[in-house]
This record gives sequence, C-alpha cells and structure tokens, in this order.
Amino acid sequence: SQQGEEDPQALSIQEGENATMNCSYKTSINNLQWYRQNSGRGLVHLILIRSNEREKHSGRLRVTLDTSKKSSSLLITASRAADTASYFCATDWTPGNQFYFGTGTSLTVIP
Amino acid sequence: KAGVTQTPRYLIKTRGQQVTLSCSPISGHRSVSWYQQTPGQGLQFLFEYFSETQRNKGNFPGRFSGRQFSNSRSEMNVSTLELGDSALYLCASSPGTGYEEKLFFGSGTQLSVL
Repeated sequence: SQQGEEDPQALSIQEGENATMNCSYKTSINNLQWYRQNSGRGLVHLILIRSNEREKHSGRLRVTLDTSKKSSSLLITASRAADTASYFCATDWTPGNQFYFGTGTSLTVIP
Repeated sequence: KAGVTQTPRYLIKTRGQQVTLSCSPISGHRSVSWYQQTPGQGLQFLFEYFSETQRNKGNFPGRFSGRQFSNSRSEMNVSTLELGDSALYLCASSPGTGYEEKLFFGSGTQLSVL
C-alpha cells in the first residue's frame, strides 16, 4: 500500500499541553500535507510542506519533514478542546491529483 | 465562495441495490476526487476526474464508477451494493493544476447498506 501511517493511533492530553503525531510514508513525494477531520465531517487542510523543506510553522502548528526517513511530524502547541479531531497526513507522489492518506491519529483534548 | 456540496448527507440501501452520490465542487475547481472512509481502512482513494476525464483510479472493483459533467459537478455510482460498501464517501475538489494542490472536502455522504 502507498498509504502513510500515523502514529499514535490515538492520543489523549490535557488542555494546554502539546500534542505530537507522526506520519510515515513509503515513496518519494512532491509535498506532504496535514488535514484535520472533526467527527463524521469532511477533512480540512491545515498545512503543506514541500519535499525540499524541513520545517514549517502556521499559528500553533509546527510540521517537520525528514525525506531520508520518509517521515513527518505535526506538533500542536498549547492545545485546546476545539483541537479534538482526527489528523491525517497526505502525500502526492504521482502526476495528477492522486493523494494517499494515512490512517489518522485521533486526538482528544480534555478541558 | 461556496464550499464543496455533497448530496445526500445520509443514505440507507439494501444489498444488491445501486446508489448514486453527487458532488458539486468549489466554483472554478476542475478536479474532483472521491474517497471511501471506513473505520478500519482509513481513507481509500477511489478516483479523480479532471475536465470530464478520469485521470486517476484507485484499487476498487468495477462496481464503483463515476463521471464528471462539463460544469465540473461529479457523480459516483456503486452498483450491486455489498454490506462492506457501508462507509462515509467523501468528495474533494481542487483547481487541478497539479502544483501543490490542496484538497477541499465536502461533508460526505454516509452510506449504510443493510
């Protein structure tokens, strides 16, 4: 399978703590993206990191990419209850819009 | 700008029936992709359409088909439904240029096959 895998599958933290989730993938990529999904809804794009970038920030989000290890991590700082959702990484590795999503990390932020 | 609209939101069918799901992309977006999401398998890529042509296809049986119209709206059809087809079907649109594409998802159609 070309899908990525997120780790851990589930994560539960207290409000205000940081949350880190990891993504591993199998093939060379053009870029890697992270998406958030609230329960039973569609996914929302969070951040894109290019294959030649190592780190990117957006608000409380920090993404790192290690192409030699084919892995990425998403850090959410100072988490809030509203951050409770599933988080997916997505990679595109073929011409055209064929994205492969990981299996997701379910994050629960306890108020 | 209106988002991606999927209809219907919920659908209940019985085995052997067929179903058609609809997706209206964001205005100006020419690419529409379909994904199947189940608790055990995550998001599985079904196919992608661009300018009325299927450009990419995932590893699903021929019972799953789709099409795209000239206004970029897309439909997905599943024939001879099986219990295992119960899932959330997500549609996503994007400009289709292929450069740093970001997907915009609809809320999905929850299909239950009884």
